[in-house]
Amino acid sequence: QVQMVESGGGVVQPGESLRLSCAASGFTFSDDAMHWVRQAPGKGLEWLAFIRNDGGVKFYADSVRGRFTISRDNSKNTLYLQMNSLTAEDTAVYYCANENQQPFDYWGQGTLVTVSS
Amino acid sequence: QAGLTQPPSVSKGLRQTATLTCTGNSNNVGNQGAVWLQQHQGHPPKLLSYRNNNRPSGISERFSASRSGNTASLTITGLQPEDEADYYCSAWDSSLSAWVFGGGTKLTVL
Repeated sequence: QVQMVESGGGVVQPGESLRLSCAASGFTFSDDAMHWVRQAPGKGLEWLAFIRNDGGVKFYADSVRGRFTISRDNSKNTLYLQMNSLTAEDTAVYYCANENQQPFDYWGQGTLVTVSS
Repeated sequence: QAGLTQPPSVSKGLRQTATLTCTGNSNNVGNQGAVWLQQHQGHPPKLLSYRNNNRPSGISERFSASRSGNTASLTITGLQPEDEADYYCSAWDSSLSAWVFGGGTKLTVL
């Protein structure tokens, strides 16, 4: 079955960087576009970034453009999110989700990122 | 980025019908329609509906979506205790080249 497992979260200090990974299985990863979405504690969902199946098109939310970079390695069935210059406002659970016939089709369980001094 | 507008909370009785709304503009909901997601506490979101009223396989027919102008709606009939959750709408915004989310509606089944 479709499965996505996020990893790489943890506690970092303001200004530091972190790279999240999303390992996909149970579907043809190279056929699907992918999204990163986050959810701050007790808050709603915030879309962050999109990457086309071949990596040739990327879109970002204003809140992370220039600081976060989405990428993928189709040979490893893995999606990435490089996060730089982190602030306390980036504290959230980070989810990956796929898009084939429909957006946000399947989601991972999420990985928690805490930015704190 | 401007988000979509959802009422923070809706309460309805068991077996009643709830209609949740999501208001955007002509660049997002009015253009591409909305997707709807359900999220139970402590769990990732689940897709309920896309392109206004297409349901992924396995989603109950009790969930139906529609759109009128810049407002999308999700109607849940025959409310069950397990329908108590947070519901989010989202849409692609062609002017922002970004997906936008609503703030979510907490549905309480009395």
